[in-house]
Amino acid sequence: GESVGLHLPTLSVQEGDNSIINCAYSNSASDYFIWYKQESGKGPQFIIDIRSNMDKRQGQRVTVLLNKTVKHLSLQIAATQPGDSAVYFCAENHNAGNMLTFGGGTRLMVKP
Amino acid sequence: EPEVTQTPSHQVTQMGQEVILRCVPISNHLYFYWYRQILGQKVEFLVSFYNNEISEKSEIFDDQFSVERPDGSNFTLKIRSTKLEDSAMYFCASSEETLDQPQHFGDGTRLSIL
Repeated sequence: GESVGLHLPTLSVQEGDNSIINCAYSNSASDYFIWYKQESGKGPQFIIDIRSNMDKRQGQRVTVLLNKTVKHLSLQIAATQPGDSAVYFCAENHNAGNMLTFGGGTRLMVKP
Repeated sequence: EPEVTQTPSHQVTQMGQEVILRCVPISNHLYFYWYRQILGQKVEFLVSFYNNEISEKSEIFDDQFSVERPDGSNFTLKIRSTKLEDSAMYFCASSEETLDQPQHFGDGTRLSIL
């Protein structure tokens, strides 16, 4: 079936470096994508979203890139900080419904 | 910043018993959702709710599950006869609209079925 998936289950980076978390999706009807951060014991926290009519969107220290040709989504975190340590999920949605389909998650570990 | 709140944070229930999980969505949001996350697995959609009725549900949301908005602020998920495999984190979420608007999540209720 169609699904959203992640390439790397764990990413370890040095504090101050940039982080890139990747996500592949297979539903070509998906037109809205969200990145969530989940810290231990907490619910998914919205980070940034992007619509399918865009290929890049920037927030504070974060950038999401969307490549519809290869159905790939990435989250870039600039100057990664210890507080960025968490599990990051991509989620996708399409206009046919309002359910989010989540990827499996990538754990980001920031080394001081 | 407004947030979704869920109670209780942890619920322990005997198999076969009914359980009600409670949520207070963000006050100006119109769309409400329940998701669950079994330990070590993906977050899975259960149901969405708008204008006092279910708008979409997944295969997981069978006849044992029901949702209700009993008043202007609460949104509940009921499981009538719990099974061991219902043990999971249950997340409530809400959004202003369904199209191209982020869903904001609560911190979840950990449901443990004994």
